[in-house]
Order: sequence, then C-alpha cells, then structure tokens
Amino acid sequence: GNSVTQMEGPVTLSEEAFLTINCTYTATGYPSLFWYVQYPGEGLQLLLKATKADDKGSNKGFEATYRKETTSFHLEKGSVQVSDSAVYFCAPFLWGREETSGSRLTFGEGTQLTVNP
Amino acid sequence: EAQVTQNPRYLITVTGKKLTVTCSQNMNHEYMSWYRQDPGLGLRQIYYSMNVEVTDKGDVPEGYKVSRKEKRNFPLILESPSPNQTSLYFCASSLIAAGGRETQYFGPGTRLLVL
Repeated sequence: GNSVTQMEGPVTLSEEAFLTINCTYTATGYPSLFWYVQYPGEGLQLLLKATKADDKGSNKGFEATYRKETTSFHLEKGSVQVSDSAVYFCAPFLWGREETSGSRLTFGEGTQLTVNP
Repeated sequence: EAQVTQNPRYLITVTGKKLTVTCSQNMNHEYMSWYRQDPGLGLRQIYYSMNVEVTDKGDVPEGYKVSRKEKRNFPLILESPSPNQTSLYFCASSLIAAGGRETQYFGPGTRLLVL
C-alpha cells in the first residue's frame, strides 16, 4: 500500500552544519511531493514542493529533488541556523482508489531538528 | 490576511461531554481536512471534504463527526469524547487541482485534553 518513511529524529546539529533528512515513499504513479515545517507552538506550513520527476523544490536555503528512480525526496540544507529548529514533515500526495476519494497528503512521522549556536 | 482559524486553541473536558472544534478559512478553498498529531505517529487524517455537503473518512474517523454546510467552515464534532482522543488537532484547507499539486494551509492547532 501507499506509505512514507522518514528519517527518525531527533537530529541535533551545530550552526552552519550540513543537514540531510531522508524521505522515501511507496505509491502507484508519480505523486506530488511536499515538505512541511512546524515551528514550536505553530501549525504546519509549506517549506517546498515538487510536482514532477527531477523537479527541485527550494526555499529558505532548503532543497529537495524528486527522484522517481529511488522514490525519494530528501531534504537538504548546506548551512543550518538556530532559527531552523523545528519539526520537518515529508508529505507525498498519494492517490486513493479513485481520484476524488481517499487521495490525500500522507505525512511521515516528522523529524525534530535542533540547531545549537 | 489569508488564514485558517481554529477555536478553541486549548480545551480541557471530561469523558462523554460533547464538544465542537470550529475551523474557518477565508481563501475560498474547496478542500478542507482535519488531522490529529500524536507523538511518534505524525499527522493522521480524520475527515476531509471536497466541497459543500461532500465529506469522507480519512484514516482515523472513529469517534468523530464533521459537517460542511458552508464552504468556509468545517467543524469537528466529538459526540462523546474519550481519553484516547487527547491530541493536537489541525484543520487545513486548499484548492483542488489534478495531481494534488496544491499547497495545504494549516490552522494554528487545537490542543485537547480529555479527562
């Protein structure tokens, strides 16, 4: 069935370190792929997205590339900041049995990132 | 300002006492959804709605009801809350597009404690 596997946390890094959070999914077809971020005490907000194979989504220094061969959408940032401390969710839009029934964002478990000064 | 609002933000109640969590969006979105967030489980969808009077079950609908009488509102109803419904709840909305390309906009969350 459809599912998403996200790198377990928590992840603790020093400021300016390189970040990778892995995300893989199983699905039929080629879903749109999203990363959402949840800052402390807030709701989720879109970080970046990619809607077709080989697309690269980017925002705030974060990047993720849609890899259909490996069904992956790993999140990367070259130099993290303290303000990046948050929970990150990988969320492919997975199709249900019919296009308008059961199709939804399917969230990974979330990865808690803490960046220390 | 484009936003999704939820009320209340925090609620403590007792087992069996009916409650409603309201959700409203001002972006004229067709799609609305309720999620619950629990440690180690990520976000799980409770119910969703593709438009007025069109609702469907998500992954964990047991113990919940919803209604969509107006496009902007999508209340979540717990007829007889139980302690296992203690959780953080999020409402979200989006436009509908083929391929699921549209961004979902989330409310600030409602933290519910059922004693």
